[in-house]
Amino acid sequence: EVQLVESGGGLVQPGGSLRLSCAASGFTYSNYAMSWVRQAPGKGLEWVSGITGSGGNTYYADSVKGRFTISRDSSKNTLSLQMNSLRVEDTAVYYCAKTLHASGSYYFDYWGQGTLVTVSS
Amino acid sequence: SYELTQPPSVSVSPGQTTSITCSGNKLGDKYASWYQQKPGQSPVMVIYQDTKRPSGIPERFSGSNSGNTATLTISGTQAMDEADYYCQTWGSSTVVFGGGTELTVL
Repeated sequence: EVQLVESGGGLVQPGGSLRLSCAASGFTYSNYAMSWVRQAPGKGLEWVSGITGSGGNTYYADSVKGRFTISRDSSKNTLSLQMNSLRVEDTAVYYCAKTLHASGSYYFDYWGQGTLVTVSS
Repeated sequence: SYELTQPPSVSVSPGQTTSITCSGNKLGDKYASWYQQKPGQSPVMVIYQDTKRPSGIPERFSGSNSGNTATLTISGTQAMDEADYYCQTWGSSTVVFGGGTELTVL
C-alpha cells in the first residue's frame, strides 16, 4: 500500500524558513518522480515543485522559483521542500504526491494527507 | 502563462449524467487528468491521460479531451460524488490546475 506522510508544517513569520518532509513507502521510490502541491485555505490546488526519480531534474512554479528547493533522498525514501523567504501568500496545506511523468504526461496518482504551513506575524 | 478554465459550480440530480468542462488553448494536444476532492480530504485521481481510469475508480467516471476542451463525465451520479473536481495538465515543464468545479448533487 502506497503511503505518503508529510511533516514539518507550522507557524512561521514572513521572511522566515521552513523545511517540509515526506516519508514514502509501499512502492519503489527511486523509480518515480515526486511533487509538492499546495492549497491555500478555501482555494484551489496549486502545483509547487517536482523532481524526477533520479533527482537529476527539478521543476518549480514561477511563484516559488528562487525561494523553494525540492530534493529527495532515495536511501531514506524521503522527499523534502526547503522553503525560504516565506510570504503570507505561501500559507497553505502542502501535499506530497507520487508522480507519473512519461510520454508527455505528468499526473499525481497518490497524495499524502498534507501539512499546514502558516506564514503570519 | 497557460491557463485552464472550469465552471465554478455544477449541479446534478441523483442518477443523472453530468459533465464538467476544462478549457485551455489547444488542450487536446496535451494530456489532461482529473482529481476529486471531498471536504477535509486529500485529492484523489479519477482520470489520467485524458480517458484512463485508475483501479478502484467507478466506471461511471469517464473522460475525453479534444480541441480546446477536456471533459469529465459522471454517469448515474451518486450523492457520494458530491465534491470539488480539478483538471490538470503539463506543458513547458510546468503543471497547471484548473480553478476547480464544485459539484452539487441535489
